[in-house]
Amino acid sequence: EPEVTQTPSHQVTQMGQEVILRCVPISNHLYFYWYRQILGQKVEFLVSFYNNEISEKSEIFDDQFSVERPDGSNFTLKIRSTKLEDSAMYFCASSWSSGTGGRWTYEQYFGPGTRLTVT
Amino acid sequence: KQEVTQIPAALSVPEGENLVLNCSFTDSAIYNLQWFRQDPGKGLTSLLLIQSSQREQTSGRLNASLDKSSGRSTLYIAASQPGDSATYLCAVRPLRGGADGLTFGKGTHLIIQP
Repeated sequence: EPEVTQTPSHQVTQMGQEVILRCVPISNHLYFYWYRQILGQKVEFLVSFYNNEISEKSEIFDDQFSVERPDGSNFTLKIRSTKLEDSAMYFCASSWSSGTGGRWTYEQYFGPGTRLTVT
Repeated sequence: KQEVTQIPAALSVPEGENLVLNCSFTDSAIYNLQWFRQDPGKGLTSLLLIQSSQREQTSGRLNASLDKSSGRSTLYIAASQPGDSATYLCAVRPLRGGADGLTFGKGTHLIIQP
């Protein structure tokens, strides 16, 4: 069964460094997302991406963050200058317009996550 | 702003029991609701998705219901097994369609005792 993959599984970086988290969404999906989960807290939406542009972003997704779909398969999240509070699990998700009778579900499928530790 | 609350935060029951997990949301203008399972240190596995026009969905031993007007959903697990031990998350999608982010609850941490 197709699945979302993410690399690396764990990334350790020093404060102020740039990191790029990588995701390969399910191949026929059209919508791509990034979420984060700080330890012990809720999963929080960061950004969604459709048709090669950002569709929606949350308050968390400030100028330090950027997303890109550099080719037909990868979807990346870049954090330009990491802070201690960026330490979290980052999840990529994808969805497509599936459904019947014109009622799309947009069911989201999540990857296994990248644990980012900023020291 | 949409808020999602899940009760209880944690639940421990003996194997074989039927149980109910609760999810409530403050804004009833939702497109759909998804229930996920999260194992420790792992990603989220989608269990069930209910469209706003639906009342319930079933998959195996799982049954999810939705009462959109009252802002509530329940996940019913029948004949629980130790392998069901995980955190169960509820998430709602806003009524806009397209590439919209989900709003999650904090989850119910479920332990099934053998």
